[in-house]
Amino acid sequence: DGGITQSPKYLFRKEGQNVTLSCEQNLNHDAMYWYRQDPGQGLRLIYYSQIVNDFQKGDIAEGYSVSREKKESFPLTVTSAQKNPTAFYLCASSTTVNTEAFFGQGTRLTVV
Amino acid sequence: QKEVEQNSGPLSVPEGAIASLNCTYSDRVSQSFFWYRQYSGKSPELIMSIYSNGDKEDGRFTAQLNKASQYVSLLIRDSQPSDSATYLCAVNMVGSSASKIIFGSGTRLSIRP
Repeated sequence: DGGITQSPKYLFRKEGQNVTLSCEQNLNHDAMYWYRQDPGQGLRLIYYSQIVNDFQKGDIAEGYSVSREKKESFPLTVTSAQKNPTAFYLCASSTTVNTEAFFGQGTRLTVV
Repeated sequence: QKEVEQNSGPLSVPEGAIASLNCTYSDRVSQSFFWYRQYSGKSPELIMSIYSNGDKEDGRFTAQLNKASQYVSLLIRDSQPSDSATYLCAVNMVGSSASKIIFGSGTRLSIRP
């Protein structure tokens, strides 16, 4: 099955912990994205990557980090510097930066 | 000014009527425009992509693009209760170093029977 896989679906984090959200795609897409969605809000861009070994900060990158060592993988780390990390995190990919993006199922992160 | 703006709604439309959703964007050089539908608790799913001025039809959906006015819209004909969802407008923004896809805050659509 081709698609975008995010894991885990639900994640609980204690205060002060770093956590890593996984995003894998087997669509051979060059571009990948991470978005954050808060209840009743739209999607805000955290980080994005056009090609392997390259990525750029989005509008709300503070407290997050990413890597793009492989074309199919774009993990997101939520660090302890992110003061309000409870949200729905969405990973997406697209053939190129100018084409439509397709989303994974999302990871719901809760700080406990 | 937000990069992509939508009316948050809710927009209430009777079943069988036409629902009209609007979006404006700030980047004059944007070339790619997308409409997504998102059900509560789910991830967005692509409805339409549009790249050229004018109308693009796909089944009950029509996307309209006017680059001169920096405006893109989505029409849903013969609205069904299953169309009740949040509709997200997305625009490819061309930056100095990289392009990125930016979303509006979404419009909640409710189809009343």
